[in-house]
Amino acid sequence: GDSVTQMEGPVTLSEEAFLTINCTYTATGYPSLFWYVQYPGEGLQLLLKATKADDKGSNKGFEATYRKETTSFHLEKGSVQVSDSAVYFCALSLNQAGTALIFGKGTTLSVSS
Amino acid sequence: NAGVMQNPRHLVRRRGQEARLRCSPMKGHSHVYWYRQLPEEGLKFMVYLQKENIIDESGMPKERFSAEFPKEGPSILRIQQVVRGDSAAYFCASSPPNPFSGETEAFFGQGTRLTVV
Repeated sequence: GDSVTQMEGPVTLSEEAFLTINCTYTATGYPSLFWYVQYPGEGLQLLLKATKADDKGSNKGFEATYRKETTSFHLEKGSVQVSDSAVYFCALSLNQAGTALIFGKGTTLSVSS
Repeated sequence: NAGVMQNPRHLVRRRGQEARLRCSPMKGHSHVYWYRQLPEEGLKFMVYLQKENIIDESGMPKERFSAEFPKEGPSILRIQQVVRGDSAAYFCASSPPNPFSGETEAFFGQGTRLTVV
């Protein structure tokens, strides 16, 4: 079935380090792909998305490229900050009206100064 | 414009009691989705509702769980005779009149953390 697999956490980094969180997916058709972020005590917020192959989503210094050939959507940031500490969820949508998002298990990122 | 509001934020119930979780979608949104997040798991889809209609309940357990989204008032997720395995975070999301399809964004609430003791 359709699914999302993302790297296990927690990921612990020092401030200004480079971040990669891997995400791969299995889906029929041509899904849209998303990264959501959950800050402590808050709900999920959309961080970025890509709706077709080779699209790059970007926001707040984070980037992810939709790679159809490797079925991946890895999240990257060149220089993380303490304020980036959160749980990051990769998700896909099958692009059928009304269908729900399918989420990965989430990766906890902890950034220390 | 207030975001998606869920209450209560934390709920403690004894085994066998009922739990009622409420979700008020963003103003103008008519589509509501409920998700459950078990410890060490991702968010799992439970049910998708429009006003007065259940559109997709394929993720709902067959027993004890029900959901509604009345014409007036919030969406309610109801869990009867709770068991310890129901302990989880329950998230609600809403989307605009066009149902979420990847092109429209779904907005999430802060979740309700249910603990069954």
